[in-house]
Amino acid sequence: GAVVSQHPSRVICKSGTSVKIECRSLDFQATTMFWYRQFPKQSLMLMATSNEGSKATYEQGVEKDKFLINHASLTLSTLTVTSAHPEDSSFYICSARVAGQGAYEQYFGPGTRLTVT
Amino acid sequence: AQSVTQLGSHVSVSEGALVLLRCNYSSSVPPYLFWYVQYPNQGLQLLLKYTSAATLVKGINGFEAEFKKSETSFHLTKPSAHMSDAAEYFCAVSNAGGTSYGKLTFGQGTILTVHP
Repeated sequence: GAVVSQHPSRVICKSGTSVKIECRSLDFQATTMFWYRQFPKQSLMLMATSNEGSKATYEQGVEKDKFLINHASLTLSTLTVTSAHPEDSSFYICSARVAGQGAYEQYFGPGTRLTVT
Repeated sequence: AQSVTQLGSHVSVSEGALVLLRCNYSSSVPPYLFWYVQYPNQGLQLLLKYTSAATLVKGINGFEAEFKKSETSFHLTKPSAHMSDAAEYFCAVSNAGGTSYGKLTFGQGTILTVHP
């Protein structure tokens, strides 16, 4: 149980375009989802916390107008990278917290490799 | 505020040897601690977690970790390394309260190489 999927697994887009990444909890409801980015050979950095039905909370230094997060249902959160630039190329990973399970357990998706050309 | 320091960005062991990956944390409130493993181009898989119960925690794949409050450490060990253990390992801390409620803070990661 507690499986999280991401789509797409890889995406290449041109500079200036937008790309949407989906994060789904397949067998549980997730009131809270998290979005991370990971640069090569680096650790995961939390970008934002997404709560179902409310606005996302962004970490300091993350542009909320550039990284649009929508958490419209208890099983789906989306991250849209708007006007992508090559420096946005990264590995984006989402995680989800099981509703009612407590604050400490997060289940991670397999990640999405974004390349902006 | 919370932080995690993993000592050693690369650890190399022989197959069958002891694996020891070091993690020290800093937290203003009692922490929850985790070890995750990441294989290339994949997400994170939870190895084990400490959530204020037993200080010696056993996880999957033969790994275990011991929470030592006096040393603010949560080192990961495995008695005998297997080739399939080669991956990157991340230590993470989360708090049950305070401004960092529920957020995971990761260490920089340790790449484990296992030699035949």
